[in-house]
Amino acid sequence: GQQLNQSPQSMFIQEGEDVSMNCTSSSIFNTWLWYKQDPGEGPVLLIALYKAGELTSNGRLTAQFGITRKDSFLNISASIPSDVGIYFCAVSSGSARQLTFGSGTQLTVLP
Amino acid sequence: GAVVSQHPSRVICKSGTSVKIECRSLDFQATTMFWYRQFPKQSLMLMATSNEGSKATYEQGVEKDKFLINHASLTLSTLTVTSAHPEDSSFYICSARAPPGAYGYTFGSGTRLTVV
Repeated sequence: GQQLNQSPQSMFIQEGEDVSMNCTSSSIFNTWLWYKQDPGEGPVLLIALYKAGELTSNGRLTAQFGITRKDSFLNISASIPSDVGIYFCAVSSGSARQLTFGSGTQLTVLP
Repeated sequence: GAVVSQHPSRVICKSGTSVKIECRSLDFQATTMFWYRQFPKQSLMLMATSNEGSKATYEQGVEKDKFLINHASLTLSTLTVTSAHPEDSSFYICSARAPPGAYGYTFGSGTRLTVV
């Protein structure tokens, strides 16, 4: 199946710092999505990207859809304690447009 | 809008018994729902695509006779784990494609299944 390489696997940062994580693929995708998952909960959509080169913001979050359509990154600026969680990239493919998820980035924000 | 409700949130069952998990789209109709499984510290892995009024499509390696999926209405899909074993213990999450006008996919809050 599809494989997304997400990095880093985990990050420990100080409150107030900026964070960057990315996903790459060997295949081209037309939709990239970024989700956050809190412990014991389902993922929540943060940003959806539908156009190569697109740069989209949602508050302190900014994500870009790579021009090659094989990668995407997510930036979080001025991190706060509630940013703690697991962040997943995902792509939509297949006849049912099902999602394939990256391996996740566990973010810990230290006070 | 585009809320997906999943029940139960947590269930413990004895080995050999069956467990049913429900996934409902509360304020929209979902002709297609998806079922994922997530083991600790791992990503979400798609198990099957649930299609209203027809058979589910299972991913390679997922036993369709063990994980029964029923999508009898436009707002309800159920996953039944039959003859559960401890290795079936996992976090099961459903999702539905958001309705027209919205984007992305909405996820349920997940079901933590523990088989003892």
